[in-house]
Amino acid sequence: AQSVTQLGSHVSVSEGALVLLRCNYSSSVPPYLFWYVQYPNQGLQLLLKYTSAATLVKGINGFEAEFKKSETSFHLTKPSAHMSDAAEYFCAVEAGTYKYIFGTGTRLKVLA
Amino acid sequence: NAGVTQTPKFRVLKTGQSMTLLCAQDMNHEYMYWYRQDPGMGLRLIHYSVGEGTTAKGEVPDGYNVSRLKKQNFLLGLESAAPSQTSVYFCASLFTGANVLTFGAGSRLTVL
Repeated sequence: AQSVTQLGSHVSVSEGALVLLRCNYSSSVPPYLFWYVQYPNQGLQLLLKYTSAATLVKGINGFEAEFKKSETSFHLTKPSAHMSDAAEYFCAVEAGTYKYIFGTGTRLKVLA
Repeated sequence: NAGVTQTPKFRVLKTGQSMTLLCAQDMNHEYMYWYRQDPGMGLRLIHYSVGEGTTAKGEVPDGYNVSRLKKQNFLLGLESAAPSQTSVYFCASLFTGANVLTFGAGSRLTVL
């Protein structure tokens, strides 16, 4: 069964520092992959998605992710963290036709 | 455009009581989902629906039932609530053309 693993349940970075949130997938074929963000007391919203068109995917709010088949990874990055980036981030995979499985989430804390 | 609306937002139940969570979407989406979110476990798929009158089991379906009698509504029922069902429940619907989930704001359920 397809799944995703997020390394690090909590990540802290200083404001202005690089953000790196890790996601590895398990799949025999390149899957569709997603990053969603959840701000406090809200539902999830899409940051970006990989659908095999390009390995480097740009999303909203300056985030991007690179699909690396050789490493089965889809890590999320942002060059410079902002206080407003503090949230929980979820990696997800399409595990069947329109069936989505989420990772356990990474809570990002941005330090002033 | 309200998107995905969940009711109620909060509910406290005693063990053994029953209740229904309602999810309504006004975007004419075919697919709808129920997830539960628990600390350290991310979002887990309970049940989903690929269209009016159809439902399917997700990762953690035990103890829950669902119905999709109308395209815009997806109901999640607990026939005999247990403390293990204390969680935050999220409903989502899918715009298949963009492969993007739209989430509701969540329903926090506590079972005593």
